[in-house]
Amino acid sequence: IAGITQAPTSQILAAGRRMTLRCTQDMRHNAMYWYRQDLGLGLRLIHYSNTAGTTGKGEVPDGYSVSRANTDDFPLTLASAVPSQTSVYFCASSEGRQGSDEQFFGPGTRLTVL
Amino acid sequence: GQNIDQPTEMTATEGAIVQINCTYQTSGFNGLFWYQQHAGEAPTFLSYNVLDGLEEKGRFSSFLSRSKGYSYLLLKELQMKDSASYLCAVREGDYKLSFGAGTTVTVRA
Repeated sequence: IAGITQAPTSQILAAGRRMTLRCTQDMRHNAMYWYRQDLGLGLRLIHYSNTAGTTGKGEVPDGYSVSRANTDDFPLTLASAVPSQTSVYFCASSEGRQGSDEQFFGPGTRLTVL
Repeated sequence: GQNIDQPTEMTATEGAIVQINCTYQTSGFNGLFWYQQHAGEAPTFLSYNVLDGLEEKGRFSSFLSRSKGYSYLLLKELQMKDSASYLCAVREGDYKLSFGAGTTVTVRA
């Protein structure tokens, strides 16, 4: 069982280019999330999805878009990358229930925009 | 939204106890989580509190006071492998979390 995977592991991207970060989970979790992590700022939520077919904006959604066509996949797209989007991106998933709804995190994608 | 504060860094000796405090302000509290994150790795779940009081899980314990907007994570019998960042996160409403900036704990021999 892989859990939650992300691709690519790392990427260097020229400013203005389009980029899609991939995230796949095999735990049949309803909820999925995208975070970025920057030094001194912690994890900040970009977008989330409570169930397949629905998405919502998090704390820092500008410049990013997501889709949730099925339960397993939750890709994050940067339409036109800018240097301020240089960060480590984590995808996470959870069952999507009340109580101890533990989030499981993928290994992360380190993105550098030049 | 939330305002979540925790110390930036803490240092302790192997075998000792360290307490990491977290204060938060929220309009609709629905649970507090602690995660551990080793350098270069993904966060992993440690604990969950939704009612006031202490939750104990082995060497780690987490405390919550909802009226004070306060939690702490207690790490006992520190080991070198406990050197990591510890993230406090608050859930407000449905399932999504808001995280503090994290506390980096360094365990010295």
